Amino acid sequence: DAGVIQSPRHEVTEMGQEVTLRCKPISGHDYLFWYRQTMMRGLELLIYFNNNVPIDDSGMPEDRFSAKMPNASFSTLKIQPSEPRDSAVYFCASSFSQGVGNTEAFFGQGTRLTVV
Amino acid sequence: LAKTTQPISMDSYEGQEVNITCSHNNIATNDYITWYQQFPSQGPRFIIQGYKTKVTNEVASLFIPADRKSSTLSLPRVSLSDTAVYYCLVGPNSGYSTLTFGKGTMLLVSP
Repeated sequence: DAGVIQSPRHEVTEMGQEVTLRCKPISGHDYLFWYRQTMMRGLELLIYFNNNVPIDDSGMPEDRFSAKMPNASFSTLKIQPSEPRDSAVYFCASSFSQGVGNTEAFFGQGTRLTVV
Repeated sequence: LAKTTQPISMDSYEGQEVNITCSHNNIATNDYITWYQQFPSQGPRFIIQGYKTKVTNEVASLFIPADRKSSTLSLPRVSLSDTAVYYCLVGPNSGYSTLTFGKGTMLLVSP
C-alpha cells in the first residue's frame, strides 16, 4: 500500500477563498483523522471518523471548517472562507481498530496551506 | 485524559544512548503509553507502545515502572537521522484519546 495519500502537498490561496484538502486512507483502515499543526499550537486533532461516520468534531475550530467522508477511501476537509490564521500544515491519518493494545495511526505527508 | 510532561528539548551525540522521560502522574488503569516520532515536514510515525514493564522493538525500548506514573523511551546508539520531535501520548486504546499530542521533545543529534 502507498500509505495515506494527501493532496495537494502545498496550497497557496487568497483570504476569502474556499480551500479543499483531500485524503485517501490506507485500504482497510476504519478510522480516519484530520490534524492541524502550527508552531504555536502544535498538533491539534480536528475531527475523526469511524467507518465513514464523524465521531468527534469538537476540535474543528469554527463553522468555516467542514469535513466529509463519502466512502471508505476518500475524505475532504474544507475551509470556506479561508483566513490567514488558517495557515498551517494539515495532516490526515488512518488506522485499523485491531483491538486491545494497538492504536498505531499512519500519517500522510501533509498539506501545507498558506492563506495570504 | 492523563496530562503528560516531557522535556522541551534534548541534545546528544552520534553513537550515544538517549533516554527521554515522560511524566504522567494521573495515568488511569486502562491507559496505554504510546510514543511517536516526527521528522521535519513529515507526519508523526508510531515508534512503540506499552502498558507496563518493558517493551522492545527494532527501533527503541520503552521502560515503564511499576507505578506507571512515568515512562522512558530509550534510543540506542543514535545517529544524525534520529533528530526529530518525540511525542509521549497516554490514554485508553479505544476512543482514540491516545492520539492527543502534546508539545513533544525536540531531540538534536550532533556529529
